[in-house]
Amino acid sequence: EPEVTQTPSHQVTQMGQEVILRCVPISNHLYFYWYRQILGQKVEFLVSFYNNEISEKSEIFDDQFSVERPDGSNFTLKIRSTKLEDSAMYFCASSRAAGANTGELFFGEGSRLTVL
Amino acid sequence: AQKVTQAQTEISVVEKEDVTLDCVYETRDTTYYLFWYKQPPSGELVFLIRRNSFDEQNEISGRYSWNFQKSTSSFNFTITASQVVDSAVYFCALSPRFGNEKLTFGTGTRLTIIP
Repeated sequence: EPEVTQTPSHQVTQMGQEVILRCVPISNHLYFYWYRQILGQKVEFLVSFYNNEISEKSEIFDDQFSVERPDGSNFTLKIRSTKLEDSAMYFCASSRAAGANTGELFFGEGSRLTVL
Repeated sequence: AQKVTQAQTEISVVEKEDVTLDCVYETRDTTYYLFWYKQPPSGELVFLIRRNSFDEQNEISGRYSWNFQKSTSSFNFTITASQVVDSAVYFCALSPRFGNEKLTFGTGTRLTIIP
């Protein structure tokens, strides 16, 4: 069964450092997403990406964040200068729908980021 | 704007009891999807069910059942004969039928099954 894969599963970094979280969405999917979950809190939408550009972003997704699809398979989330409050689980997701949704959103297993 | 409310933050039941997790949602969309996800202690999000707003039939899958009531904007989840492995945080979520498949999650209900 196809799945969304994320690396690393856990990353520890110092405040102010740049972090790149990587995701490999399902190969025939068109929409890609990043969600964030601060420990013990709800899962929050960060950004969606379609046709090589951001289609929607939340207020959390400020200038410190960027997303990229550098090749045909990877989808990355970069945090330029990490802050303590960026510590969270980051989930990548993908879906194949464009326009009329199927409701089939596939999540990766998450990347836990710890900022010290 | 979309909103999902899970009023129960924590529930504890003794193994083999039935338990119902409540979910109430708000949306201006006439068509939408509703979801339940399970998050075990390991942290991943495990998909449980997706419901199209057109389909108000209740669904049963083994010990799990879902009660979708459009009139009260609720999508409740019942676990029958609970087991220790059911201990997890459960999230209800909502997404639009058209446009971005962006999920709006509730705050989750932490379910603890006591052996």
